[in-house]
Amino acid sequence: GEDVEQSLFLSVREGDSSVINCTYTDSSSTYLYWYKQEPGAGLQLLTYIFSNMDMKQDQRLTVLLNKKDKHLSLRIADTQTGDSAIYFCAENPTGGSYIPTFGRGTSLIVHP
Amino acid sequence: ETGVTQTPRHLVMGMTNKKSLKCEQHLGHNAMYWYKQSAKKPLELMFVYNFKEQTENNSVPSRFSPECPNSSHLFLHLHTLQPEDSALYLCASSQDGSRLANYGYTFGSGTRLTVV
Repeated sequence: GEDVEQSLFLSVREGDSSVINCTYTDSSSTYLYWYKQEPGAGLQLLTYIFSNMDMKQDQRLTVLLNKKDKHLSLRIADTQTGDSAIYFCAENPTGGSYIPTFGRGTSLIVHP
Repeated sequence: ETGVTQTPRHLVMGMTNKKSLKCEQHLGHNAMYWYKQSAKKPLELMFVYNFKEQTENNSVPSRFSPECPNSSHLFLHLHTLQPEDSALYLCASSQDGSRLANYGYTFGSGTRLTVV
């Protein structure tokens, strides 16, 4: 299997909450990331969480980390049509390379 | 404006052409990266430069040739490409290629390359 796994699609209605899930394999990863890619654009760093944290909140975004299950989630409250994009989960590996491993990305589609 | 600028935004080239992609950042970062993004595939790291030195070549075919003249500029020289090389090529930068890279990458908007 892949090192970082995400479901490929998520569809929600405007105003609802979105939860994008990710599982990773390297239990000693110290940093985990969420990036957003809008159509025709590159990846934009949304947030990152250090492995000694369980949760991080930034306005409408909440990141939850379950180290035991190697599970990371991104919750977007009050999802707007402008949130439609591809969301990438990434982990930084051990071994000193400092190069993150990215998931394939989850396409979030927000319906009016 | 992301801070990382890539040109051109779109490029169509024949298999016998030679072209170059350019990436520029003025964020004061010292590490720069080339990634390939193809449909339905994970993001593929191609090359890493840290303080102008190439530190990673991820088994990339020799028809792709990177150049990093200084910490602010990165090029990808292309020659005799194949149609399967058509993809979005993304440039990224980070403060450095080690511990400070943990704070994340800044990506450019990419060059959409089509090889005909």
